[in-house]
Amino acid sequence: EVQLVESGGGLVKPGGSLRLSCAASGFTFSSYSMNWVRQAPGKGLEWVSSISSSSSYIYYADSVKGRFTISRDNAKNSLYLQMNSLRAEDTAVYYCARYQQYCSSTSCNGDAFDIWGQGTMVTVSS
Amino acid sequence: SSELTQDPAVSVALGQTVRITCQGDSLRSYYASWYQQKPGQAPVLVIYGKNNRPSGIPDRFSGSSSGNTASLTITGAQAEDEADYYCNSRDSSGNHLGVFGGGTKLTVL
Repeated sequence: EVQLVESGGGLVKPGGSLRLSCAASGFTFSSYSMNWVRQAPGKGLEWVSSISSSSSYIYYADSVKGRFTISRDNAKNSLYLQMNSLRAEDTAVYYCARYQQYCSSTSCNGDAFDIWGQGTMVTVSS
Repeated sequence: SSELTQDPAVSVALGQTVRITCQGDSLRSYYASWYQQKPGQAPVLVIYGKNNRPSGIPDRFSGSSSGNTASLTITGAQAEDEADYYCNSRDSSGNHLGVFGGGTKLTVL
């Protein structure tokens, strides 16, 4: 079964740090770009960061740039998000999501986050 | 970055057809994908590309696009379709799927 399982969430004080993990199983992890997406309580989805299959390409939302670091260990089938200098507005459920590009030999027909984990809650509060 | 705009809430009578729209400049160049999210659950992909459904998604869900607007249509809405729906597409750089719409709360009456 294709599965993503996040862990590492919890309560942290403003200015603190936390490291999230996402364990992948049931697919060839090293072949896929991966992403973190978050959702503040009662709010919509917000893309946070993406990392290519070999870690060559990394992108961040402006809201976390300089504070968060995405990484992966393909040998361990794991994705990580190191979160530093946390703020109250970082409080959210954090999801890891697999990026899938739908291409044939001649053309591509879109892309999407096709597999999501169940999420891990991060609360930043004093 | 760029923006995707959705109506905050839409309602539909049981068994009727409803269209949920998503507007944004990036949609002139890139497809939208659509996600269904029920309370307390992770999002689920329901439509990607021109009009494609992942395995297990009922065929009452369909997608379309025109100009800067992408649409998700549910033909014959069921009670279990009541959920939040989000569109998603590439940001202005085209480098990643960095933009989500604000979400549409669908109520099935």
